[in-house]
Amino acid sequence: AQKVTQAQTEISVVEKEDVTLDCVYETRDTTYYLFWYKQPPSGELVFLIRRNSFDEQNEISGRYSWNFQKSTSSFNFTITASQVVDSAVYFCALSEENYGGSQGNLIFGKGTKLSVKP
Amino acid sequence: DTGVSQDPRHKITKRGQNVTFRCDPISEHNRLYWYRQTLGQGPEFLTYFQNEAQLEKSRLLSDRFSAERPKGSFSTLEIQRTEQGDSAMYLCASSLHGLGAYEQYFGPGTRLTVT
Repeated sequence: AQKVTQAQTEISVVEKEDVTLDCVYETRDTTYYLFWYKQPPSGELVFLIRRNSFDEQNEISGRYSWNFQKSTSSFNFTITASQVVDSAVYFCALSEENYGGSQGNLIFGKGTKLSVKP
Repeated sequence: DTGVSQDPRHKITKRGQNVTFRCDPISEHNRLYWYRQTLGQGPEFLTYFQNEAQLEKSRLLSDRFSAERPKGSFSTLEIQRTEQGDSAMYLCASSLHGLGAYEQYFGPGTRLTVT
């Protein structure tokens, strides 16, 4: 069965602190895809990153970085030098490969609400 | 084309009424997804289309729910005989699909309140 667990319900940090959002997933497939989305107070989900199961290389994009470890089924997200504008709910999501080799629907975790205080 | 659009943004209805939501995907995207999100939860998959074909439906999609994408462009989601438990944010997403993975782009959602 597919499952995504985001154990941290809420995190509060002070601006400029680093923060890591945890994501643990479960799947029986060998080919799958992992995603992070941001949902600011306005409500619209914003795509941040996609990773496939064959690519364990970590990625850095500005203040954002992602650590994918298949051995622990984790796909953690770190924000360096957090800013007030980073305040949002962050969702980790999993998608398995459909018959035919294409991506299926997204299975989301419950999200982590990040509050960055000035 | 600037993104996925949904209409209306908010809908308040009385229990037992029917409601219909519309989603316009990004124009070249061939896949369209519907999700439902309740307070404090992540979005839950309802159904998706590839072009005009509805390929998968979640068991969350009861008989009161129906979705269409008649010409492979916009889609509608209808809820018949609404119940208070249907109150949620209904999200639409689209993607350009082939082999492999493609990110889904989400619209702003339609917030449904059933009184």
